[in-house]
Amino acid sequence: SQELEQSPQSLIVQEGKNLTINCTSSKTLYGLYWYKQKYGEGLIFLMMLQKGGEEKSHEKITAKLDEKKQQSSLHITASQPSHAGIYLCGADITGTASKLTFGTGTRLQVTL
Amino acid sequence: DGGITQSPKYLFRKEGQNVTLSCEQNLNHDAMYWYRQDPGQGLRLIYYSQIVNDFQKGDIAEGYSVSREKKESFPLTVTSAQKNPTAFYLCASIGGGPMRQPQHFGDGTRLSIL
Repeated sequence: SQELEQSPQSLIVQEGKNLTINCTSSKTLYGLYWYKQKYGEGLIFLMMLQKGGEEKSHEKITAKLDEKKQQSSLHITASQPSHAGIYLCGADITGTASKLTFGTGTRLQVTL
Repeated sequence: DGGITQSPKYLFRKEGQNVTLSCEQNLNHDAMYWYRQDPGQGLRLIYYSQIVNDFQKGDIAEGYSVSREKKESFPLTVTSAQKNPTAFYLCASIGGGPMRQPQHFGDGTRLSIL
């Protein structure tokens, strides 16, 4: 079983709609990182969360870390075609900051 | 511009052959990582190095080898012992310091078997 579960695995939304991607762990998330990947390319860093209850926003993307630090969500408001890609969460679940565990990713398609 | 350069972008391996993937960074980062990505799966850690001349096995090190002779460079060799090498390989690095920082990634190398 995966130490870090991401849901949904894939998502198709109409342009302008909102969407949420979840990342859940059975262990404490000492640091939680959201990345975006276009097919065949590297990962682009979006946001990092560390503290329980923390919330960060950049343009139309908001990421939250719950109070218990075991779940994070990524919310996109008014989706655009440029938001399409694979979203991955990566987490430090050891507390050492030396290694990350990654979720399986969520593939997002935005239709016109 | 600072960043991580992976080469080549595409690589083909013949059976029984070792191949080496290059990863170079000019970010002055101490730690470097190699991941493997398969379709429908997340990134899996192969090897990582936190300092020059030192490296540790990740979760799937069998069939792979690395070296870290220079701070800027962390090449990955896929040996003939790796029976299923077809995958997308990503290199990452992270800076030191007291504040938690994100890993930065290269653009990846896609390895296929001929």
